[in-house]
Amino acid sequence: AAGVIQSPRHLIKEKRETATLKCYPIPRHDTVYWYQQGPGQDPQFLISFYEKMQSDKGSIPDRFSAQQFSDYHSELNMSSLELGDSALYFCASSFRTGDNEKLFFGSGTQLSVL
Amino acid sequence: DAKTTQPNSMESNEEEPVHLPCNHSTISGTDYIHWYRQLPSQGPEYVIHGLTSNVNNRMASLAIAEDRKSSTLILHRATLRDAAVYYCILRGYGGSQGNLIFGKGTKLSVKP
Repeated sequence: AAGVIQSPRHLIKEKRETATLKCYPIPRHDTVYWYQQGPGQDPQFLISFYEKMQSDKGSIPDRFSAQQFSDYHSELNMSSLELGDSALYFCASSFRTGDNEKLFFGSGTQLSVL
Repeated sequence: DAKTTQPNSMESNEEEPVHLPCNHSTISGTDYIHWYRQLPSQGPEYVIHGLTSNVNNRMASLAIAEDRKSSTLILHRATLRDAAVYYCILRGYGGSQGNLIFGKGTKLSVKP
């Protein structure tokens, strides 16, 4: 069965650079979520999209932006990178049924800011 | 926000049952109880969820207290592959209440 695909798996950037992370949800899933997990931390909710519209916002810095495209894939754009942005970034997708549907997570993108 | 409380860590022997507790004394009537787990170097994985009644699936069982202020995730026969961090999460219905917000989970170690 198809899973959530994230690219790239690993990304190394310098401070003040920009980065773009991509997420391809499971086919027919209409909702995408982004999470950030720092070293030894629990996943923190950043932002979510439903049917290409922003659904909710969590602890996402102003330097970050995201969108969901017409084919339902999503991109997380990160600018002016800081050392503290080094983390594992997970994308999850679901098909919103309004009945507490389960989320399916990708394997994550490991971002290292040097 | 309703919160959950879980032990930081638990240990189990392989092929024995494991009971992972979760307290959620401020749960609201519309909050579902979700369990996800995260194996090392992987994304979180759905385990089970329920509202009021006990639930069973191929991975685990979820026992929910009658007053819903606590629940227990039951792994019937732990395997080495079950070593992970287990998160008990309350998830509301609709809008921002429907987001999956991770707290501090329980790190389960399984001994051969």
